[in-house]
Amino acid sequence: SQTIHQWPATLVQPVGSPLSLECTVEGTSNPNLYWYRQAAGRGLQLLFYSVGIGQISSEVPQNLSASRPQDRQFILSSKKLLLSDSGFYLCAWRDDRIYEQYFGPGTRLTVT
Amino acid sequence: GQSLEQPSEVTAVEGAIVQINCTYQTSGFYGLSWYQQHDGGAPTFLSYNALDGLEETGRFSSFLSRSDSYGYLLLQELQMKDSASYFCAVSNEAGTALIFGKGTTLSVSS
Repeated sequence: SQTIHQWPATLVQPVGSPLSLECTVEGTSNPNLYWYRQAAGRGLQLLFYSVGIGQISSEVPQNLSASRPQDRQFILSSKKLLLSDSGFYLCAWRDDRIYEQYFGPGTRLTVT
Repeated sequence: GQSLEQPSEVTAVEGAIVQINCTYQTSGFYGLSWYQQHDGGAPTFLSYNALDGLEETGRFSSFLSRSDSYGYLLLQELQMKDSASYFCAVSNEAGTALIFGKGTTLSVSS
């Protein structure tokens, strides 16, 4: 069966510090991978998606970046965090042949 | 671009029926999905409609009218555990990623 992992679960970082969030998927190959952000009490904002290794599409211009160094690994990064980067970051995957999207447990980021 | 509208909050009592509406605008349509998210948790898939009509899965049903760019999620025999946020979603223009509405918070009381 397929599983998706995200770490860390919670993170408190000062403004201006770097960020690296990692997501890995097991039990499938060549998945579509996604990063979403959810501000407190708000909807899910699509940040990046990837349909293959090295292929990254950005939906919202900001100080975040994403990379996919391996087939089942998706990394979200920032060189300098802003207060507005606080939120709940969710990684998700989908098999291109089906419509259901599966989410990881999320990382709750607080920028102070 | 894609946009979705759904009510921000809905309240109901246990055992009742509630309908959460969703209207969408999209430049390419690949279907309407619904997700449930409990407080502090990750969203989980509930249903998907690609064609017009009603899809039933236990206590939950989902309806789609492509001509009206409209759908709804129907929750029957409400239970306290149904208190959660519900999101409708459509694919982006390329059909490669889901765009979510802002969510409807359902509160079920006894």
